[in-house]
Amino acid sequence: DIVMTQSPDSLAVSLGERATINCKSSQSLLYSSNNKNYLVWYQQRPGQPPKLLIYWASTRQSGVPDRFSGSGSGTDFTLTISSLQAEDVAVYYCQQHYSTPQTFGQGTKVEIK
Amino acid sequence: EVQLVESGGGLVQPGGSLRLSCAASGFIFTDYWMHWVRQAPGKGLMWVSRVTNDETTNDASSITYADSVKGRFTISRDNTKNMLYLQMNSLRADDTAVYYCARGLATAMGAFDVWGQGTVVTVSS
Repeated sequence: DIVMTQSPDSLAVSLGERATINCKSSQSLLYSSNNKNYLVWYQQRPGQPPKLLIYWASTRQSGVPDRFSGSGSGTDFTLTISSLQAEDVAVYYCQQHYSTPQTFGQGTKVEIK
Repeated sequence: EVQLVESGGGLVQPGGSLRLSCAASGFIFTDYWMHWVRQAPGKGLMWVSRVTNDETTNDASSITYADSVKGRFTISRDNTKNMLYLQMNSLRADDTAVYYCARGLATAMGAFDVWGQGTVVTVSS
């Protein structure tokens, strides 16, 4: 199975400041035939199901604010929140769907400083 | 409105069985893969199983399971009723979790773009 490791486990950021979450996979998620990275980011607010934010490592899902962006390729990926808002307090997960079983990172909790 | 609504959770003794259901609405059910994902209390997300949208194939690859549930859980779908199911047998304490039904993203079916609110399964004596 592909192991997904996120860092940090938690971070506290002031309102309006940048938050950066890293995700590393145990093997490359780049599929050579279509040059796509099979990496997804989700946001899970307290008491809610997860919400899809980013797919193909950098494509924002419809309706997701543009302060959320994804980057990276191969085994190293980053989710950036450019200007943290109060409603961004949540746990963020990366997930690979390059191979079955799809696996998730352990989650990163984002709080307001 | 695109919606997934799970039901069927509850308290069950170790070794018991439960059948979860997921009612889909607001989209063409037969166009999508469907998945079950679970989350143990205070823990992260774990993919459980998926079924493709091709009900006519007998290809074993149309249905897959996480190793921890293989042989105990059975996923199925009824495209005439827009329903997804998860039959869970030989339940163990570590199956305790919120179980989410999720839709595969159209352009990346292994990602999940619509989630239900979840149904709680508690395995305890």
